[in-house]
Amino acid sequence: DGGITQSPKYLFRKEGQNVTLSCEQNLNHDAMYWYRQDPGQGLRLIYYSQIVNDFQKGDIAEGYSVSREKKESFPLTVTSAQKNPTAFYLCASSIVLAGDETQYFGPGTRLLVL
Amino acid sequence: GESVGLHLPTLSVQEGDNSIINCAYSNSASDYFIWYKQESGKGPQFIIDIRSNMDKRQGQRVTVLLNKTVKHLSLQIAATQPGDSAVYFCAELRNAGNMLTFGGGTRLMVKP
Repeated sequence: DGGITQSPKYLFRKEGQNVTLSCEQNLNHDAMYWYRQDPGQGLRLIYYSQIVNDFQKGDIAEGYSVSREKKESFPLTVTSAQKNPTAFYLCASSIVLAGDETQYFGPGTRLLVL
Repeated sequence: GESVGLHLPTLSVQEGDNSIINCAYSNSASDYFIWYKQESGKGPQFIIDIRSNMDKRQGQRVTVLLNKTVKHLSLQIAATQPGDSAVYFCAELRNAGNMLTFGGGTRLMVKP
């Protein structure tokens, strides 16, 4: 998992509630990413950020929001607009340099709906 | 659209045998590929990568082969061990930015 931490490991959401997943990295990476993984499936990109105070939508951004106020932190909020939030959420980071695009992942947060 | 995919969803091998996990890609312009290993309940872990100017790259017990003619990528694991049991994903660098497109994954099961 390198220097990327995610918390909490498990998170429960009540219907209509917004919840925020934490992602912190001490690798001095410029870029950070959020992915969603459903059981038995691959990773789908939700949002990404290549620099502080800037972020872009990924393939499945609807119902999610992010912020990037600090280089080390990229929290993801799952809003009440996300009707099927139950999934495993993975945060990743990378440097932004042509020739080194490897992304390193955190341990993940499993979100469950009550 | 262009995507990365895998031929086999589940692969079962005997401990000590060699494993081969395959991946097909459709974007002929892709020039960078990564293999990740994901154990149950954990985040993906980088295994090995390869660029399109190479056909083969070796690591410790792992080898990645790239066949650009048929747009095929494979991961070979030598002397497979129980600790190799996991889901393996290939990922392809998209044309724009640092984003990766992931395949659906192959589950490797090692029988003792």
